[in-house]
Amino acid sequence: GDSVTQMEGPVTLSEEAFLTINCTYTATGYPSLFWYVQYPGEGLQLLLKATKADDKGSNKGFEATYRKETTSFHLEKGSVQVSDSAVYFCALSLMEYGNKLVFGAGTILRVKS
Amino acid sequence: NAGVTQTPKFRILKIGQSMTLQCTQDMNHNYMYWYRQDPGMGLKLIYYSVGAGITDKGEVPNGYNVSRSTTEDFPLRLELAAPSQTSVYFCASSPQDRGPRSNQPQHFGDGTRLSIL
Repeated sequence: GDSVTQMEGPVTLSEEAFLTINCTYTATGYPSLFWYVQYPGEGLQLLLKATKADDKGSNKGFEATYRKETTSFHLEKGSVQVSDSAVYFCALSLMEYGNKLVFGAGTILRVKS
Repeated sequence: NAGVTQTPKFRILKIGQSMTLQCTQDMNHNYMYWYRQDPGMGLKLIYYSVGAGITDKGEVPNGYNVSRSTTEDFPLRLELAAPSQTSVYFCASSPQDRGPRSNQPQHFGDGTRLSIL
């Protein structure tokens, strides 16, 4: 079946540190890939997306590149801020009935000042 | 621009009680979804709908029912609440994909935190 695996958290970083959150997937078809972010007490928000191999999604200083050969979509940011503290979810979607998302377990990021 | 609105935000139920979680969206999206989020877990799909009058089971549908009489509303009903249904519930919506690649993001409500005691 289709699945998404993320690195376990929590990830604790100092402000201005480099961030990587690993994400790999297994899919029966050719998925689109997403990163969603959840701030405390809120619903999920789309952070970035990529729909085909070698596409790079970017937003708010975050980037992720769709690597079909390694079935990965790692999230990176060069310099994190305290305000980036949140839960990050990697997800895939296949072009099928209902356009359903399959989520990873989420990775908690804590940034200290 | 309200987006996806869920009510209530918090609720405590006794075992065996029933309740309906409300969800409405004002973006004219065809697709709507209900998820539950348990601590340390990703979101699990309960039910989804691709349009008014059409609903389908997701990964964890047992103990829940849904209906979709209008494009805007997608209520989730718990008939006999059980402790295992203690969770945070999220409703989401998205436009229907029209291109060859799936790229429509889902828009989420703020969630309903439900405790069954």
